[in-house]
Amino acid sequence: SQKIEQNSEALNIQEGKTATLTCNYTNYSPAYLQWYRQDPGRGPVFLLLIRENEKEKRKERLKVTFDTTLKQSLFHITASQPADSATYLCAPLMNRDDKIIFGKGTRLHILP
Amino acid sequence: EPEVTQTPSHQVTQMGQEVILRCVPISNHLYFYWYRQILGQKVEFLVSFYNNEISEKSEIFDDQFSVERPDGSNFTLKIRSTKLEDSAMYFCASRDDLTGELFFGEGSRLTVL
Repeated sequence: SQKIEQNSEALNIQEGKTATLTCNYTNYSPAYLQWYRQDPGRGPVFLLLIRENEKEKRKERLKVTFDTTLKQSLFHITASQPADSATYLCAPLMNRDDKIIFGKGTRLHILP
Repeated sequence: EPEVTQTPSHQVTQMGQEVILRCVPISNHLYFYWYRQILGQKVEFLVSFYNNEISEKSEIFDDQFSVERPDGSNFTLKIRSTKLEDSAMYFCASRDDLTGELFFGEGSRLTVL
């Protein structure tokens, strides 16, 4: 069955450093991959979408890579700030109309 | 900025009672979704809805659940006979067809006693 794995339950990063979160998937070949941010008690908020033919996508301090050979996406936050502390969810999609299934998420803590 | 709105924000109910959670998706969106998140767990897909019918549903979405779009704006999730394990945050979402992005509401917290 299709599986989405995100790298750890919680990740602690010092303020100003780059945080790198991992999303691995097995048993399917998504054409797209989305990343969302979720704050406690709130709904997820869309951050970025990357297509299978895009190796990398950037938005301000965020960078996402998509390696279809490794079946992996990396999500980087550069110059991290305490306000970046949240849970980050990845969601691979087979096609644009596919239902969005989330990984368990990685809780990121940026330490001041 | 357009947003998805959900009501109620919190509902407490007795086991076995019927509950209706309401959502107003973004007006020009065509795909609507319900997700559930049990405290401390992942966001789980329940159902997607397009063109006035269910397009996909998960194993969680059994006969106790139903969805409806009773008018041009509301999208509802009904749980017929609530169980303790239905206690969770329920999120409604609608999708921007151009970008594929999901817009989520603030959620309805359901507590079943």
